[in-house]
Amino acid sequence: SYVLTQPPSVSVAPGQTARITCGGNNIGSKSVHWYQQKPGQAPVLVVYEDSGRPSGIPERFSGSNSGNTATLTINRVEAGDEADYYCQVWDSSNDHVVFGGGTKLTVL
Amino acid sequence: QVQLVQSGAEVKKPGASVKVSCKASGYTLTGYYMHWVRQAPGQGLEWMGRINPNSGDTNYAQKFQGRVTMTRDTSISTAYMELSRLRSDDTAVYYCARGGGGGWESDYWGQGTLVTVSS
Repeated sequence: SYVLTQPPSVSVAPGQTARITCGGNNIGSKSVHWYQQKPGQAPVLVVYEDSGRPSGIPERFSGSNSGNTATLTINRVEAGDEADYYCQVWDSSNDHVVFGGGTKLTVL
Repeated sequence: QVQLVQSGAEVKKPGASVKVSCKASGYTLTGYYMHWVRQAPGQGLEWMGRINPNSGDTNYAQKFQGRVTMTRDTSISTAYMELSRLRSDDTAVYYCARGGGGGWESDYWGQGTLVTVSS
């Protein structure tokens, strides 16, 4: 089955840029979605289909996907961005959804 | 506005079954897939499967095949997830999540239902 690999944690100072990666075999050929989850809350979709941004999501959130790595980029990081972030794809070989293990973003 | 409201927390004994409901409002249930995702305490997200509420067709994660059943009642805009033969490691928060335009991402999520399995 398809495996997505995320770093367990990323730390960034306020106002800086956070980049959270999601690795997978030829992930560039798949559509990648990203979710933000704050403690005690349900996940929120922040990027869909590699780089799309749902309504209500700040422009500071963007995504890219190429080769074996997809990246969620958060510009001008704020304290309120501190959360767990998950990448997700559809594995067409078995019609299954796959989530990455999640990355905890800490705002220093 | 789109809302998914799930049923309340459950405590079950090992070997029992649990059925979680997810009532949709603000859109037509049959127009979008419904996914079910769970999250064990302190762990990541785990996809359980999805249902096409229009046809009733389902697609279950291999891990849950034979133990999970996803259904829907379109007359009351509600989707259901039933998990049988519960074990202690099924203790988790269970989420329903609406499939987005592409069908595989989830654009709206329920608030989650905590299922505790304990003897």
